[in-house]
Amino acid sequence: DIQMTQSPSSLSASVGDRVTITCRASQGIGNYVVWYQQRPGQVPSLLIYSASTLHSGVPSRFSGSGSGTDFTLAISNLQPEDVGTYYCQKYNSAPYTFGQGTKLEIK
Amino acid sequence: QVQLVQSGSVEKMPGDSVKVSCTASGYTFSDYHMHWVRQAPGQGLEWMAWIDPQNGDTKNAQKFQGRITVTRDTATSAAFLELSSLSSDDTAMYYCTRDLARYYASGSGFWGQGTLVTVSS
Repeated sequence: DIQMTQSPSSLSASVGDRVTITCRASQGIGNYVVWYQQRPGQVPSLLIYSASTLHSGVPSRFSGSGSGTDFTLAISNLQPEDVGTYYCQKYNSAPYTFGQGTKLEIK
Repeated sequence: QVQLVQSGSVEKMPGDSVKVSCTASGYTFSDYHMHWVRQAPGQGLEWMAWIDPQNGDTKNAQKFQGRITVTRDTATSAAFLELSSLSSDDTAMYYCTRDLARYYASGSGFWGQGTLVTVSS
């Protein structure tokens, strides 16, 4: 099975900063990656699909890039409401494995 | 609007089975694949299984092979997850999700509210 390795596992940044989270697949998966945000105590929500397409209603300061094995989620102009855990997931074929998650905190 | 409403929290004993339901509304049930995802306390998301409501085809993660059953009832627009031989490691929030796009895997655009399954003696 293809593994999804996310890094870092946690990060702390200041309001207004730009942060990046990476996800590496153990084999090429085209652009079949989605990113989710899970705010504390809440259900996960979809941010980005097809590696780089912003889901409806998601602020434009979120962006995704990558294809093949390396993918990146970037958040610019970090806001307090961005606190939470971010997950990548592959969906080219089952099993639809998640990355381990990246916990984002505000300094 | 799309809604996925799951059954309520349950407590089970080790060795028991649990069946969680997910009732969909606001769209054509058969047109979108559904998934089951779980999250143990303080842990990450774990994909468990997928079902195509149109024909009942399923796939599941290898680690659950032999003790997971995913079904659907198109008459009531509901999907079901049954997990047997429960242990404390199965204590988790269980989510049903719906794919974003019709007919093919496209990421979970919609999530149920979650069902907490607690396994304890």
